[in-house]
This record gives sequence, C-alpha cells and structure tokens, in this order.
Amino acid sequence: AQTVTQSQPEMSVQEAETVTLSCTYDTSESDYYLFWYKQPPSRQMILVIRQEAYKQQNATENRFSVNFQKAAKSFSLKISDSQLGDAAMYFCAYRRGGATNKLIFGTGTLLAVQP
Amino acid sequence: EAGVAQSPRYKIIEKRQSVAFWCNPISGHATLYWYQQILGQGPKLLIQFQNNGVVDDSQLPKDRFSAERLKGVDSTLKIQPAKLEDSAVYLCASTRGVNSPLHFGNGTRLTVT
Repeated sequence: AQTVTQSQPEMSVQEAETVTLSCTYDTSESDYYLFWYKQPPSRQMILVIRQEAYKQQNATENRFSVNFQKAAKSFSLKISDSQLGDAAMYFCAYRRGGATNKLIFGTGTLLAVQP
Repeated sequence: EAGVAQSPRYKIIEKRQSVAFWCNPISGHATLYWYQQILGQGPKLLIQFQNNGVVDDSQLPKDRFSAERLKGVDSTLKIQPAKLEDSAVYLCASTRGVNSPLHFGNGTRLTVT
C-alpha cells in the first residue's frame, strides 16, 4: 500500500526567508503524481504544486518549488521569500497513475511565518 | 466559476444522533469525492462518485455512513448513528476528469459530544 510521511509537524520561518518542508512516500508503482496542498484556516485545500513522476525536472510555481528525488522517494517543498499569507497547514499527497484521482495524504506540516 | 459548496459549515450533535452533509460540486464536474479529516491527520477518502455511480467506497464505514449522488450532481453524506470518533472535518471535492485538478470545498466541521 502507498504511504505518505511528513516528519515535521510544525515549522517556522521568518518573513522573506526560505523554508523547506519534507515529505517521503512509499510506492511500488512507476507511474504516479505528487502534490503539495495548502490548507489555511478556511479549511479549503488549495493546490500549490504538482509533480509527475516521469518528469525529471523539478516543478516550480513562482515562489514554490520542489526537490523531487525519485530514487529516495523524497518530495520536499521549498518556499522562497516567505510571506505572512503562506502560514497554513501543508499536506503532501500521492496519486497513482491511471484512471483515478484518489489522493493519499500525509499528516501535514503546520507552517508559521514570523513577521 | 463558482467553487464547491458545502453545508453546513459547522455541526454539533450528541453521539447516537444522525447528521447529514450536503455538497454541490462545480458545474460539469463528473467526479465527486468525500474525504474525512480527523484533527491532526491528513484527509482520508471515504467515497468517490463518477456521475451518480460509486467508484470507490472501500474506506466508508458502511454500518453507519451512507452517501448518495442523485442525478449525478449534488451529493449527501449521512452518519447514523454518530460516534465520538466521527468528530472531524468532512471535505467534498470535485473534478472534471482524471488529469484535471481537484477542487475542494470549505468542509463541514462535525463535533460529536
């Protein structure tokens, strides 16, 4: 069975600094996708970034980038120039390839941004 | 486009009572999901609908949980009778297709006392 592990329950970063959130996963599949979702106090899950396993290039979305290490089954999220609005729960999620959108989530990392 | 709508936003009930949650997905989204998010955990899939048919309900506690999606649009998730461990946020999500992003609603926070 696929599992997603986030070993950092809480992280803190100073405004304008850079922070990296860790995620590891376990799967025997070769075709899969990885995601980072942000969940602010409003509770709505917001997609931050997505990575296809077959792509070697790390995904980037503005201030958000990932370090995808397929052999190590590691998928970390780097947030550059942190802003107060980045404070939220961040969830790493896995989806196997094929005709499914079923996501398996990690336990989340609560990110605090200090002014 | 309008987002995924869920109601109620909050619900407090006593154990052994019943409760229902409602979800209206984004127009045109054929696939709908219900997730359960217990405090301190990531969301866990309860059930997936494709139009009005169930695709995956392997993690739905069928002795007390039920869900339906009549006419392939709105969906209702029911718990009867509720237990203390059902206290959680119930998230609804919808998507147009397999390779399309999931859109989540704001969830319903259920407290069972």
